[in-house]
Amino acid sequence: NSKVIQTPRYLVKGQGQKAKMRCIPEKGHPVVFWYQQNKNNEFKFLINFQNQEVLQQIDMTEKRFSAECPSNSPCSLEIQSSEAGDSALYLCASSLSWGGNTEVFFGKGTRLTVV
Amino acid sequence: QEKVQQSPESLIVPEGAMSSLNCTFSNSASQSIWWYQQHPGKGPEALISIFSNGNKKEGRLTVYLNRASLHVSLHIRDSQPSDSAVYLCAVSIAGGYKVVFGSGTRLLVSP
Repeated sequence: NSKVIQTPRYLVKGQGQKAKMRCIPEKGHPVVFWYQQNKNNEFKFLINFQNQEVLQQIDMTEKRFSAECPSNSPCSLEIQSSEAGDSALYLCASSLSWGGNTEVFFGKGTRLTVV
Repeated sequence: QEKVQQSPESLIVPEGAMSSLNCTFSNSASQSIWWYQQHPGKGPEALISIFSNGNKKEGRLTVYLNRASLHVSLHIRDSQPSDSAVYLCAVSIAGGYKVVFGSGTRLLVSP
């Protein structure tokens, strides 16, 4: 069973408000991913880290989204000015390494509703 | 840009039947292919993975990979109502740093 912990489980924000969610990856996992899953189950990759370093992020993330994975603190994903289209399930995942046959473990997600 | 397509979108099978789910991917250099199960309100959980051409069996699950046709399938033998969930095909990109997901097959096993 996955031990990736995401908080909060549910988040409701007004348009233009900041939305912040946190993730504690599995112990010993240096690789962390954030995905956005919409109501049609479509996954959108947002950003990934190895230790505290960002390896890849999409353009959307570069504009309104910010994320960090400081050492000895939870990782976080923040949306600076929430929009209705940001309503989705935000999934954090972690793994021991990249690619190959490495399993990626997911948390239960933070469901963001922007009203 | 790797693309992962799953079919069918939804599948209803009677209890005890075989459930067959399909996935095609666009990049023959893709590394591993994983199948995840996602129940409502939960994050995806990994079920089985495959790297080499051929098949792999774990319990009631069998997965077949054909890299030449860029196709992978998952078969669930003796399907149970508890198998009802969304099944996601995920492909890790060779030389990349992310996993690309399909949009899932919603499986309903009727008692």
